[in-house]
Amino acid sequence: GQQLNQSPQSMFIQEGEDVSMNCTSSSIFNTWLWYKQDPGEGPVLLIALYKAGELTSNGRLTAQFGITRKDSFLNISASIPSDVGIYFCAGQLGGSRLTFGEGTQLTVNP
Amino acid sequence: EAQVTQNPRYLITVTGKKLTVTCSQNMNHEYMSWYRQDPGLGLRQIYYSMNVEVTDKGDVPEGYKVSRKEKRNFPLILESPSPNQTSLYFCASSIQGYEQFFGPGTRLTVL
Repeated sequence: GQQLNQSPQSMFIQEGEDVSMNCTSSSIFNTWLWYKQDPGEGPVLLIALYKAGELTSNGRLTAQFGITRKDSFLNISASIPSDVGIYFCAGQLGGSRLTFGEGTQLTVNP
Repeated sequence: EAQVTQNPRYLITVTGKKLTVTCSQNMNHEYMSWYRQDPGLGLRQIYYSMNVEVTDKGDVPEGYKVSRKEKRNFPLILESPSPNQTSLYFCASSIQGYEQFFGPGTRLTVL
């Protein structure tokens, strides 16, 4: 099946720093999604990208759909303690199966 | 409030004892799906359903069954659970499979 490589696996940063994480795939996707998971809860959708080259923001979060359709990145600016959690990328080719990356564990030190 | 609910939230059982995890959504979504989450492996899709009476296998369907008799419900059935099915399970729903909304999760332990 399709594989998603998400990096880094974990990040330890100071409050106020910017964060960048990315996902790459061996095959193309039509949709890229970024989710955040807090401890003990289900993933929550942050940003959805539907077109190659698309750059979308949601508050301090910015994500881009790579031109090749095989990659995407997520940036978080001016991190705050509540940004702590696991961030997942997910790719979708058709309107059904989602393939998830392994997640990036983010720790923000006050 | 729009939501996906799962029951139970926590379950400890023994090998071979049939169990069902329920999932219900109140958003009139056509698409529903089940995932399992394991450390270092992210979320892997078990089964999904595009609409009532329409189900299909995901990436890891072995050992699981599903049914979709009503639009709002999508139960996950483990006919004969084994220890390698110990995991955190999530149900999700969406319109046509995009922008999926996840339930709170069910932590299953099979002894």
